Amino acid sequence: KQEVTQIPAALSVPEGENLVLNCSFTDSAIYNLQWFRQDPGKGLTSLLLIQSSQREQTSGRLNASLDKSSGRSTLYIAASQPGDSATYLCAVASGGSYIPTFGRGTSLIVHP
Amino acid sequence: EAGVAQSPRYKIIEKRQSVAFWCNPISGHATLYWYQQILGQGPKLLIQFQNNGVVDDSQLPKDRFSAERLKGVDSTLKIQPAKLEDSAVYLCASSLDRQAYPYEQYFGPGTRLTVT
Repeated sequence: KQEVTQIPAALSVPEGENLVLNCSFTDSAIYNLQWFRQDPGKGLTSLLLIQSSQREQTSGRLNASLDKSSGRSTLYIAASQPGDSATYLCAVASGGSYIPTFGRGTSLIVHP
Repeated sequence: EAGVAQSPRYKIIEKRQSVAFWCNPISGHATLYWYQQILGQGPKLLIQFQNNGVVDDSQLPKDRFSAERLKGVDSTLKIQPAKLEDSAVYLCASSLDRQAYPYEQYFGPGTRLTVT
């Protein structure tokens, strides 16, 4: 059974810092890994999807990497802004039904 | 492209009452998912549909939860009777096809249910 762990659970940083969120998974036979953002009381917004054959994806100030062999992914946020404050969730699709398994998320606060 | 629509956005009910949630996926998406997200946790899959058939409902509490997708488009999730522990956000998601790589999911805004 796939298990997904996100570290840290919470993070508070001053504006402008570069930061890294971590996601680890137990079964390396994955189809994809997706990073989501969730604002309080809202649904999930997809940020980046890394296919199994890829090593990284970039979108603006976000860069996500994938290392299947070690069961890890990182989400790098450059020059953080207060608007980046949200919960970031990692989801790994694996198994015969391709259903994603989610981590508990990292709650990020970027203060001015 | 319109996103996944859900209603209502918020619902407050008393325990033992019934409640229903509605989801309209992105047009053309064959796969539809219902998730339950309890505060402080990641979403947990309740049921997955492929068109109007159930693919996986292994984590759906079938004694009180039911879901249907009769015409392979819209879906409803029902809870009857509700318990206090059902308080959560119910998320609907869709994808093009569960066997269409890379299986990217798109989520709706969710319905926040409070059971008192």
